[in-house]
Amino acid sequence: GDSVTQTEGPVTLSEGTSLTVNCSYETKQYPTLFWYVQYPGEGPQLLFKVPKANEKGSSRGFEATYNKEATSFHLQKASVQESDSAVYYCALRNRGSALGRLHFGAGTQLIVIP
Amino acid sequence: GGIITQTPKFLIGQEGQKLTLKCQQNFNHDTMYWYRQDSGKGLRLIYYSITENDLQKGDLSEGYDASREKKSSFSLTVTSAQKNEMAVFLCASSIGLGEETLYFGSGTRLTVL
Repeated sequence: GDSVTQTEGPVTLSEGTSLTVNCSYETKQYPTLFWYVQYPGEGPQLLFKVPKANEKGSSRGFEATYNKEATSFHLQKASVQESDSAVYYCALRNRGSALGRLHFGAGTQLIVIP
Repeated sequence: GGIITQTPKFLIGQEGQKLTLKCQQNFNHDTMYWYRQDSGKGLRLIYYSITENDLQKGDLSEGYDASREKKSSFSLTVTSAQKNEMAVFLCASSIGLGEETLYFGSGTRLTVL
């Protein structure tokens, strides 16, 4: 079946340092890949999505490239801020799957220290 | 814009009790979802509904019932609460078919005593 594996958290960084959260996926189909972010006390919200292989998505200084060969979608940011402290979820949905069947990773908690 | 409202924010029940969680959305979205969030396990789909009066089971539907009384509301019932069910339950909605975005509520935290 479909699955998503991501960096186990928590990840603790100092403000201004760079971030990489690894995301690997398994599927036999052609997925759209997503990064969602969940701030404390809120529900997850879409950070960005990428429907096509070899394309890059970005938002709020975060970016990820859909690497079909490596089956990866790693999240990166050059310089994190304290306000980036949140839980980050990698997810996939296959175009042929039933509506809403997003498969989420376990989530990676990011803690940014000022 | 719109909003998804989940009630209550915190729900405390006794083991074996039947408990109901409610969700309202004013996006006018067709599709609604219930996810369970457990620490270290991500989000798992319990039930979803493509339109009013439709119900579809997700990966974790055993022990739960759902009801889509009208387009704007979707409720989830824990039929017999168990201590290992303590988690956050998230409601979401989306426009409908296609590669659309899910919009989530802020969750109901369930504690079973």
